[in-house]
Amino acid sequence: KAGVTQTPRYLIKTRGQQVTLSCSPISGHRSVSWYQQTPGQGLQFLFEYFSETQRNKGNFPGRFSGRQFSNSRSEMNVSTLELGDSALYLCASSPIDKNTGELFFGEGSRLTVL
Amino acid sequence: KQEVTQIPAALSVPEGENLVLNCSFTDSAIYNLQWFRQDPGKGLTSLLLIQSSQREQTSGRLNASLDKSSGRSTLYIAASQPGDSATYLCAVFSGNTPLVFGKGTRLSVIA
Repeated sequence: KAGVTQTPRYLIKTRGQQVTLSCSPISGHRSVSWYQQTPGQGLQFLFEYFSETQRNKGNFPGRFSGRQFSNSRSEMNVSTLELGDSALYLCASSPIDKNTGELFFGEGSRLTVL
Repeated sequence: KQEVTQIPAALSVPEGENLVLNCSFTDSAIYNLQWFRQDPGKGLTSLLLIQSSQREQTSGRLNASLDKSSGRSTLYIAASQPGDSATYLCAVFSGNTPLVFGKGTRLSVIA
């Protein structure tokens, strides 16, 4: 059974640009969560989607957005990139509709903003 | 607001030692607690999940304990190996809110 797949794995952008990251959950998983990981702040929750609906949102500016498609794949977008957006973005999927907190993580997308 | 703290931030031990990693949380009203492992530049791998009604969970050389009333969990690693070198994170789940993670303990096991 394939794990959580994130693309791209690495990318470099410049300030002011925008970026879209993709996440394919484990087959059958309907909940997808996104986290930002930086050395200083650790893992911070961005948002969670279930059945194409945003179920939870973290404390990030409106430049960070996401969506989920009918096949449970999810994308997140960051517009007007800032240097501080450089981070490892992790996607995680959950196996059942009721959120039990059990998460399966992908390898992440490493974003560098120059 | 739930806060999770992991001490120490980094730990270096010689191969073969038994060691304990600590995790504390401020709100004891949790559903479960998980321990994850993260290798450099990689995603998180779930090691153990302890439900709030449980006291401990074991998997191989790993044993995690939970004392919900005092807001503490420990991860015990027996007979450490160089391959155990990684960052270990704990996370608590309190219901309809997202997991709250600690910042992790970076473990180095020296051969």
